[in-house]
Amino acid sequence: LAKTTQPISMDSYEGQEVNITCSHNNIATNDYITWYQQFPSQGPRFIIQGYKTKVTNEVASLFIPADRKSSTLSLPRVSLSDTAVYYCLVGDPGGSYIPTFGRGTSLIVHP
Amino acid sequence: NAGVTQTPKFRVLKTGQSMTLLCAQDMNHEYMYWYRQDPGMGLRLIHYSVGEGTTAKGEVPDGYNVSRLKKQNFLLGLESAAPSQTSVYFCASSSPTGRGTEAFFGQGTRLTVV
Repeated sequence: LAKTTQPISMDSYEGQEVNITCSHNNIATNDYITWYQQFPSQGPRFIIQGYKTKVTNEVASLFIPADRKSSTLSLPRVSLSDTAVYYCLVGDPGGSYIPTFGRGTSLIVHP
Repeated sequence: NAGVTQTPKFRVLKTGQSMTLLCAQDMNHEYMYWYRQDPGMGLRLIHYSVGEGTTAKGEVPDGYNVSRLKKQNFLLGLESAAPSQTSVYFCASSSPTGRGTEAFFGQGTRLTVV
């Protein structure tokens, strides 16, 4: 199971772009990278997933370099409502994948 | 479409009491999970199930039991509650097909053991 490392906390201001990097040095060939977002008093929710290069949806972008040993979640023009904990997970969707969460990155967006 | 529903949302127990938390999903998912989350911590896996009638231990299984008698339900039991089990409990489900790493979570159960 690939271990992930991400910063414990980050601060930003409204309107800025936020980039959260996750390291996963021992990622396996079939592993995908998945990010979740958790607001206080709620369960985590899926925000984006990717295998390589770049993935973009209405919420975020995910950048994955060629060696796939890290990934960066990019949140464009954050607002106060983006204050949350962000988790990076790595796993093989075709295998018996059991989501394992670390402590995540606590993002605080200031006015 | 309700997704994942947890019952109850809040509960206060006395030390030594027992209770069962119910998780129900209506997405026909094969996999179901129980996590606990303590203040400032990530989610820790208690038990999980990869199909009806099967269960397995996660990272912190001691003091908990589970059952998956029906595909849509996953029950978490505390036989003799302890203050250390005060936590927020989350249930989740996922499917090994398609985007198999996407898990759907319930709204959580806040349990206090006094």
